[in-house]
Amino acid sequence: EIVLTQSPGTLSLSPGERATLSCRASQSVSSSYLAWYQQKPGQAPRLLIYGASSRATGIPDRFSGSGSGTDFTLTISRLEPEDFAVYYCQQYGSSFTFGGGTKVEIK
Amino acid sequence: EVQLVESGGGLVQPGGSLRLSCAASGFTFSSYWMHWVRQAPGKGLVWVSRINNDGSSTSYADSVKGRFTISRDNAKNTLYLQMNSLGAEDTAVYYCTPTKYSSGWPFDYWGQGTLVTVSS
Repeated sequence: EIVLTQSPGTLSLSPGERATLSCRASQSVSSSYLAWYQQKPGQAPRLLIYGASSRATGIPDRFSGSGSGTDFTLTISRLEPEDFAVYYCQQYGSSFTFGGGTKVEIK
Repeated sequence: EVQLVESGGGLVQPGGSLRLSCAASGFTFSSYWMHWVRQAPGKGLVWVSRINNDGSSTSYADSVKGRFTISRDNAKNTLYLQMNSLGAEDTAVYYCTPTKYSSGWPFDYWGQGTLVTVSS
């Protein structure tokens, strides 16, 4: 099983700042089958990024994904108030596993 | 518009059983694999089980293998999860989600989830 480790656990930032979230896999993720999800309290997760760098439908361009192999990054260029949430990475190439999440909170 | 509506959650005693349902609409249900994903209170997401489009192939996370059974009724556009021998560790919100293939496809649609609480 591919284990995904997200860091940091919590990111404290102000609106307008840049957020950089990391996801490291225990082995190479095939074909960059790496996704990022956003989850707000009481809501289901929402797909943001798939294929490591492709934005899902309707996702603003301030969200971007990068990386390959075992190291992946989600960047939010300028945080909007609605972006404060928990973010999960997921690999979907070899079964399905999720990282433990990064909480982006208001500083 | 894709809609996924989970139901059947509730409070159950340890060792008990529960059957979850997921009513799907807005897409060709019989053409998609279906999955269950769960999230314990305050914890992360965990994939639980999947079933292929015609119900002939299933797989499970080790933590539920032998206790949970996934099934589907394509005539009713409904996915099921039969959960037996429930323990406190099964307490979670359970989500259903479709994918076009068995793997290599992200979870782009989610239901609102149904909460299962295992407690005496």
